Amino acid sequence: EDQVTQSPEALRLQEGESSSLNCSYTVSGLRGLFWYRQDPGKGPEFLFTLYSAGEEKEKERLKATLTKKESFLHITAPKPEDSATYLCAVQAGHASKIIFGSGTRLSIRP
Amino acid sequence: SAVISQKPSRDICQRGTSLTIQCQVDSQVTMMFWYRQQPGQSLTLIATANQGSEATYESGFVIDKFPISRPNLTFSTLTVSNMSPEDSSIYLCSVAAGGPQETQYFGPGTRLLVL
Repeated sequence: EDQVTQSPEALRLQEGESSSLNCSYTVSGLRGLFWYRQDPGKGPEFLFTLYSAGEEKEKERLKATLTKKESFLHITAPKPEDSATYLCAVQAGHASKIIFGSGTRLSIRP
Repeated sequence: SAVISQKPSRDICQRGTSLTIQCQVDSQVTMMFWYRQQPGQSLTLIATANQGSEATYESGFVIDKFPISRPNLTFSTLTVSNMSPEDSSIYLCSVAAGGPQETQYFGPGTRLLVL
């Protein structure tokens, strides 16, 4: 069964303190791995899609990487506005639907 | 990308009533999806809505409870029928866009509270 596990559930960092969020997955033929940011009361905002092991993508203070078993979302020198829930999702084989992990709630203290 | 709007943005309803949520996208898309996000939880797919055919429901969701319409390539509705407090959730519309390497984009959500 396709599965996505995110860790940690919650992460509190000081402003400027870099860290990484983990997304482990088990899927039959990965078609794509997605990272989203979700602010309270809003819909998920698309960040990145990764398609194959070794691929990396960056956007401002965020960098996503992918291996055959997991993905990391690295946050460099975060700011309070980076506080949000970060969701990982995978799309398998020829499926149209994507499966979400439970998310990591990130809080950045000034 | 795609710009998606949903109506209403929030509502408070009495148990036993029904609510229809509208989803409008700014471009023609083949696939639209409806998700539920219960308080403090991640997203759960309710159904996939394709234009010109019946929606495909995920395990645990049935058409009588969540009827879906997809009259054209830019619009869909989800009805939450005979509501109970357990239906209190955020309901999210999503579309697949971007060609062969498609990505799902989400609307702002409809926050539903059932009393």
